[in-house]
Amino acid sequence: EVQLVQSGAEVKKPGESLKISCKGSGYTFSTYWIGWVRQMPGKGLEWMGIIYPGDSDTRYSPSFQGQVTISADKSISTAYLQWSSLQASDTAMYYCARSYYYGSGSYMDVWGKGTTVTVSS
Amino acid sequence: EIVLTQSPGTLSLSPGERATLSCRASQSVSSNYLAWYQQKPGQAPRLLIYGASSRATGIPDRFSGSGSGTDFTLTISRLEPEDFAVYYCQQYGSSPLTFGQGTKVEIK
Repeated sequence: EVQLVQSGAEVKKPGESLKISCKGSGYTFSTYWIGWVRQMPGKGLEWMGIIYPGDSDTRYSPSFQGQVTISADKSISTAYLQWSSLQASDTAMYYCARSYYYGSGSYMDVWGKGTTVTVSS
Repeated sequence: EIVLTQSPGTLSLSPGERATLSCRASQSVSSNYLAWYQQKPGQAPRLLIYGASSRATGIPDRFSGSGSGTDFTLTISRLEPEDFAVYYCQQYGSSPLTFGQGTKVEIK
């Protein structure tokens, strides 16, 4: 079974750093793109960026460029999303998803259950 | 950036009825690269349709997608109790990929 297992919920203070993870199994992790999607409380879906674990080729949405860093370690089939300095506005659910990338964008066929990030002083 | 506008915002229907959801793009979606997702409360989104009309693996045939260019439709032929959820369209023909704001299908 194809699965993406995300790390657990996080509660952080403004200014702290954070790295959340997404571990793939049941398929060849290095040969599929992994995307990250934000969902703020009660809101819709926002695409953040995407990475190809095979060579770490990474693309970002302009809205998130410079705000987060996406990385991957293909040796352990894991992708990451990290922040160097969290803000209260980063409070959201973050999903990773296996992606079929077509050069301009991708659709996402398998999703992780999400990681809740709460940033509060 | 392509803006996707979904309508209606909320659709109130009874089980067994037909649901028709609309997604309109601010400019033509290249190669009809449009997907639909279903999201239930507390759950991750689930891919229903890609390429405007291709059903994802395991999706019942009561779900169908159609359209091209700037106008796309998701149709649920007969609503089952488990179909009441929020539905999002998403285009992947232009960078950055974008989502619509969602249509909530609720029980009447």
